[in-house]
Amino acid sequence: AQSVTQPDIHITVSEGASLELRCNYSYGATPYLFWYVQSPGQGLQLLLKYFSGDTLVQGIKGFEAEFKRSQSSFNLRKPSVHCSDAAEFFCAVANPGGFKTIFGAGTRLFVKA
Amino acid sequence: GAGVSQSPRYKVAKRGQDVALRCDPISGHVSLFWYQQALGQGPEFLTYFQNEAQLDKSGLPSDRFFAERPEGSVSTLKIQRTQQEDSAVYLCASSYTGVKYEQYFGPGTRLTVT
Repeated sequence: AQSVTQPDIHITVSEGASLELRCNYSYGATPYLFWYVQSPGQGLQLLLKYFSGDTLVQGIKGFEAEFKRSQSSFNLRKPSVHCSDAAEFFCAVANPGGFKTIFGAGTRLFVKA
Repeated sequence: GAGVSQSPRYKVAKRGQDVALRCDPISGHVSLFWYQQALGQGPEFLTYFQNEAQLDKSGLPSDRFFAERPEGSVSTLKIQRTQQEDSAVYLCASSYTGVKYEQYFGPGTRLTVT
């Protein structure tokens, strides 16, 4: 069965510091991979997605993620974090042949001014 | 343009009551998804519609949960005989078609069962 693990429940970084949020998945082949962000009072919003091809994908708001097949990982990164990035981040996978998207439990990002 | 809307935004139900949660997807979106998000957790898939066809209902937790999308647009998630464990935020999302395209999420309905 597909699963998604986000090992960090919460992370705190200083404003201007770099960020990496970890995501590992379990799936037989290469699934579709996504990162969503959920800000307080806002709905979930797609940051970026990976289907195939270049393993480094760029998203909105300066985020990027790298797919590493050998590690079954799809970690999210940002070179310099801003206070406005404080939110909950969800990694998700979907079976290309199916209809279900599986979300991880989320990582809450706190940003210190 | 208009996004996905859900109503009501908040619902308090006494245990044993039936509830109906509504989702208005983005116009023209073929796919519609329902998720349940418990406090501190990620969204959990409930069911998927392609137009009016319910193609996957594997995530519905019990036969008390029922979803429909009769005209391929608005969808309703119904929970019969609500239980305390049904308390959660219920999210609806729509996409152009399928899981490959971006899912646009509504604000959710927070259901509290007392």
